[in-house]
Amino acid sequence: AAGVIQSPRHLIKEKRETATLKCYPIPRHDTVYWYQQGPGQDPQFLISFYEKMQSDKGSIPDRFSAQQFSDYHSELNMSSLELGDSALYFCASSLVRMGGLAGGPAKNIQYFGAGTRLSVL
Amino acid sequence: DAKTTQPNSMESNEEEPVHLPCNHSTISGTDYIHWYRQLPSQGPEYVIHGLTSNVNNRMASLAIAEDRKSSTLILHRATLRDAAVYYCILRGYNFNKFYFGSGTKLNVKP
Repeated sequence: AAGVIQSPRHLIKEKRETATLKCYPIPRHDTVYWYQQGPGQDPQFLISFYEKMQSDKGSIPDRFSAQQFSDYHSELNMSSLELGDSALYFCASSLVRMGGLAGGPAKNIQYFGAGTRLSVL
Repeated sequence: DAKTTQPNSMESNEEEPVHLPCNHSTISGTDYIHWYRQLPSQGPEYVIHGLTSNVNNRMASLAIAEDRKSSTLILHRATLRDAAVYYCILRGYNFNKFYFGSGTKLNVKP
């Protein structure tokens, strides 16, 4: 079965440069989530999109932005990179719409990609 | 958002059952209890979820207390491949909020 695809898998950037991470959700999934996981830390929610509209923001720096395109893939754009941005960035997708009346989106499962490891030097 | 509390780490012997506890005393009536795990250098992976009744799937069982203030993830026969960080997460109707807590690092000894 198709899984969540993230690219690139590894990325090395210099301070103050920009980076773009891409996420291709499971086909027919309508929701994408982005998470950041620093070294030795737990994943932190950054932002999510439902049907190409931003649905919620977590602890995402103002230097970061994201969007979901018409084909449902999503991109996380990171500017003025700092050393502290070095982390694993995970994308997840889920099918929320079919949660419907029976409990709504609360029970929907998120499927995670393998992540992009960003190193800022 | 309702928070969860889990032990930092647990250890188990291979082929033995493992009970991973989670406290969520401020859970609301519409919150689902999800469990995910993260193997080293991999993305988190769904394990199981439930609302009120105990749940079983091919990976694990989920036992939910009657008052829903705690739950226990049960791995019936731990294998070395089950060594991971296990996260107990409450997922409310506002589906956008999905926060990982500190998780329990499970070490499985051969």
